[in-house]
Amino acid sequence: GENVEQHPSTLSVQEGDSAVIKCTYSDSASNYFPWYKQELGKRPQLIIDIRSNVGEKKDQRIAVTLNKTAKHFSLHITETQPEDSAVYFCAATDSWGKLQFGAGTQVVVTP
Amino acid sequence: GAVVSQHPSRVICKSGTSVKIECRSLDFQATTMFWYRQFPKQSLMLMATSNEGSKATYEQGVEKDKFLINHASLTLSTLTVTSAHPEDSSFYICSARDSAGGSTDTQYFGPGTRLTVL
Repeated sequence: GENVEQHPSTLSVQEGDSAVIKCTYSDSASNYFPWYKQELGKRPQLIIDIRSNVGEKKDQRIAVTLNKTAKHFSLHITETQPEDSAVYFCAATDSWGKLQFGAGTQVVVTP
Repeated sequence: GAVVSQHPSRVICKSGTSVKIECRSLDFQATTMFWYRQFPKQSLMLMATSNEGSKATYEQGVEKDKFLINHASLTLSTLTVTSAHPEDSSFYICSARDSAGGSTDTQYFGPGTRLTVL
């Protein structure tokens, strides 16, 4: 089945700097890769997603890149702000269309 | 955007009792809903896939007789934790896919239910 690995587990950045989170997946049939932001005790919120026919997607300060050959995808947050502090999860669909999540990255943005 | 609700938001129960959690898609129809469990500081672990009008499919290691799932309509799925024990204490989150939307991959998550079994 699908196996998603996510790094780093924690990430501390100064406000205004960029944050990068990387994920790898194992199932070459995966074709949908969402990123979720989860604040403590709350629901995961979709922040951006990418499909396998696209290499890069950007939405304001957030961008995602996908390398299908290498089976890895990354989340980039630019000009980080304190409200970006949260846990971020990557995910990939398996061959059954179910999402497999990475272990999560705790992002802390210090003013 | 698509909205998913869950009820209750938190529940405390005694060991041995059963607890029912509801998951509703408020402004869209969902033939497929998913149930996840999340322990503190951990990722979301898929428990089962709930299919409207048919039996749920469970992930390996999840007891179907302990976690009963009913998906009787296109907007409602329920998860019943039977004979709950302290080790069942967790954050249970549902998600739903919009059956008619342009993107059938996107999952919208409910706010979660915090279950504490004493």
